[in-house]
Amino acid sequence: AQSVAQPEDQVNVAEGNPLTVKCTYSVSGNPYLFWYVQYPNRGLQFLLKYITGDNLVKGSYGFEAEFNKSQTSFHLKKPSALVSDSALYFCAVRDIGAGNKLTFGGGTRVLVKP
Amino acid sequence: DTAVSQTPKYLVTQMGNDKSIKCEQNLGHDTMYWYKQDSKKFLKIMFSYNNKELIINETVPNRFSPKSPDKAHLNLHINSLELGDSAVYFCASSPGLAGGVNTGELFFGEGSRLTVL
Repeated sequence: AQSVAQPEDQVNVAEGNPLTVKCTYSVSGNPYLFWYVQYPNRGLQFLLKYITGDNLVKGSYGFEAEFNKSQTSFHLKKPSALVSDSALYFCAVRDIGAGNKLTFGGGTRVLVKP
Repeated sequence: DTAVSQTPKYLVTQMGNDKSIKCEQNLGHDTMYWYKQDSKKFLKIMFSYNNKELIINETVPNRFSPKSPDKAHLNLHINSLELGDSAVYFCASSPGLAGGVNTGELFFGEGSRLTVL
C-alpha cells in the first residue's frame, strides 16, 4: 500500500528566505505525486504534480518541487517566501494499482513571518 | 462560478440524527470523491465514483452512504450520527481515467463542517 510522510508538522521561515517543505513517499509502482495548499477554512488547492519527465516541476504561485527517485522524495520549494504563503501544505501520492486512490500526507503548516 | 460546490457549509446536529451533504461539480469530470478531514487536519478518502459507479469504498461505517444520481453530483448521507463523525467533509472531482490511469489533479470544494453534539 502507498504512503506519504511529511516529517515536519510546522515550518517557520522569515519572509524573503527560501522555503522547503519535505515529503517522502512509498509506492509499489511508478509514483504520481502532487502538492496541495489549504488556507484557513478553505478547500485544498492544487499546486503542482509530477507524473513523468523532468524531475523539477514548476507550479502555481512560484512553487516548485523536485522528484528524487533514489531518495523517494518530492520536496516542495519556493526561493523567496511571502507572508501570504502561510498555510497548510499537503503532499499526496496516487496509487494506480489501488483504484487510482490519492493518499495524502499528514500536512505541514508553514508560517512565514514578516 | 464555483467549480465544486458543497452544501451546507456548516451543519450542527444532535447525536442519532440523519443528515446529508450535497456536492455538485460543473467541470465535466467523470470522477468524484468524498474525503474526511479530522480535527488534526488529517485527510482520508472515504468514497470515489467514476461515471456514477462506485470504485473506492474505504473502511467507512455503513452509516455513511454515498449516492451519485449523475456524474456531476455526489451526495453523502449519514445515518445515526455519532460524536466521532464531527469533521470537515470535502467533495472533490477529477478528470476520468485514461487507459485505466488517472493522472489528473483533484479539484476540491470548500468543505462542509459537521458538528455532532
